[in-house]
Amino acid sequence: GQNIDQPTEMTATEGAIVQINCTYQTSGFNGLFWYQQHAGEAPTFLSYNVLDGLEEKGRFSSFLSRSKGYSYLLLKELQMKDSASYLCAVRDSNYQLIWGAGTKLIIKP
Amino acid sequence: IAGITQAPTSQILAAGRRMTLRCTQDMRHNAMYWYRQDLGLGLRLIHYSNTAGTTGKGEVPDGYSVSRANTDDFPLTLASAVPSQTSVYFCASSEGGTSDYNEQFFGPGTRLTVL
Repeated sequence: GQNIDQPTEMTATEGAIVQINCTYQTSGFNGLFWYQQHAGEAPTFLSYNVLDGLEEKGRFSSFLSRSKGYSYLLLKELQMKDSASYLCAVRDSNYQLIWGAGTKLIIKP
Repeated sequence: IAGITQAPTSQILAAGRRMTLRCTQDMRHNAMYWYRQDLGLGLRLIHYSNTAGTTGKGEVPDGYSVSRANTDDFPLTLASAVPSQTSVYFCASSEGGTSDYNEQFFGPGTRLTVL
């Protein structure tokens, strides 16, 4: 079967760095996405990786290792507004997204 | 530009009733999707449409139907609602096809409670 694993919840301090991991087992791989979802709102796109390595976008970076079925999202200089759930999703061989359950990130002052 | 709109925002429905959730996008995207999101679970695909006039079944299609008469609209119908269909429903769209990027854009969601 297809499976995406992420930690359920993480806590970090304002101004710090946090890494959210995602491991996947899917039928085929056509890219990995990270989305941010604030409570009660819709998911919004953060990053996309299809090749191995690090993609940097401002305070957020995303890493992919296809051979290990592994990705992480790195958030730097954490702000209170970063408190949200972070969703990892893999596009499978049918070009459909398979979603993890999400990681709820709690930022403390 | 509104992006994707969904209606209603929330609804309480008696079991056995028929209900249609509406979704409209103005980005001229080819592909549209319906997901449900339940606590502790990832987004689960109900139905999708790669282009106007075509639809396909996702991971959890039972009890739901869709139509795609034109590019902009993608309604989701519950023919006879059951309590297990209580969930938050998100409509999404993307350019579609096998293009490399193809991120999905989400509507604000419909919170449905079936009693």
